[in-house]
Amino acid sequence: GESVGLHLPTLSVQEGDNSIINCAYSNSASDYFIWYKQESGKGPQFIIDIRSNMDKRQGQRVTVLLNKTVKHLSLQIAATQPGDSAVYFCAENDGYSTLTFGKGTMLLVSP
Amino acid sequence: DAGVTQSPTHLIKTRGQQVTLRCSPKSGHDTVSWYQQALGQGPQFIFQYYEEEERQRGNFPDRFSGHQFPNYSSELNVNALLLGDSALYLCASSRGPTGTGGREQYFGPGTRLTVT
Repeated sequence: GESVGLHLPTLSVQEGDNSIINCAYSNSASDYFIWYKQESGKGPQFIIDIRSNMDKRQGQRVTVLLNKTVKHLSLQIAATQPGDSAVYFCAENDGYSTLTFGKGTMLLVSP
Repeated sequence: DAGVTQSPTHLIKTRGQQVTLRCSPKSGHDTVSWYQQALGQGPQFIFQYYEEEERQRGNFPDRFSGHQFPNYSSELNVNALLLGDSALYLCASSRGPTGTGGREQYFGPGTRLTVT
């Protein structure tokens, strides 16, 4: 859904489904990207990163895809579990400034 | 291996007061960054400390200041608190500043500041 004011885009999935969370970044000079997971009342937790010389990187149950042509990043979570429910942020860095965070997407996983 | 720690967990202050938040970086990390996260928003960069100096600063007024100690721990100070300063304040540490490759940042649990 659209992000309006304080309302986060929300993705609702069933347990066991695959989830895809998307992120558009703004700085064409960015060459390093990180996905963070933030549970309620906690700080962001590092999930996976990717450098601009790659277009795909896999971790445990997660895959990040990078399309530099359209400045788009996605996080794929395989076999989504209720414990994956959280807000997910992408962050970008150009090697000179600090991390810039996107707006975030809330993932809701139903048993 | 201790991760990033922050204190206190929660804090309630009155408008006009001053507050100090504290952060200890992850073991082996020498750079500390501070972020402000308003409800429903992504973290916004305040400033970054490396070798006890402020290296980068975001778009925050001078009421926000900081310090880094020789053991790499850091403090965030906010003077003349406003209602709009109510937020979750996050500390992140890295090995080296973000401008020179230390870009994998690990976050602490945050300090929830409420200004009444």
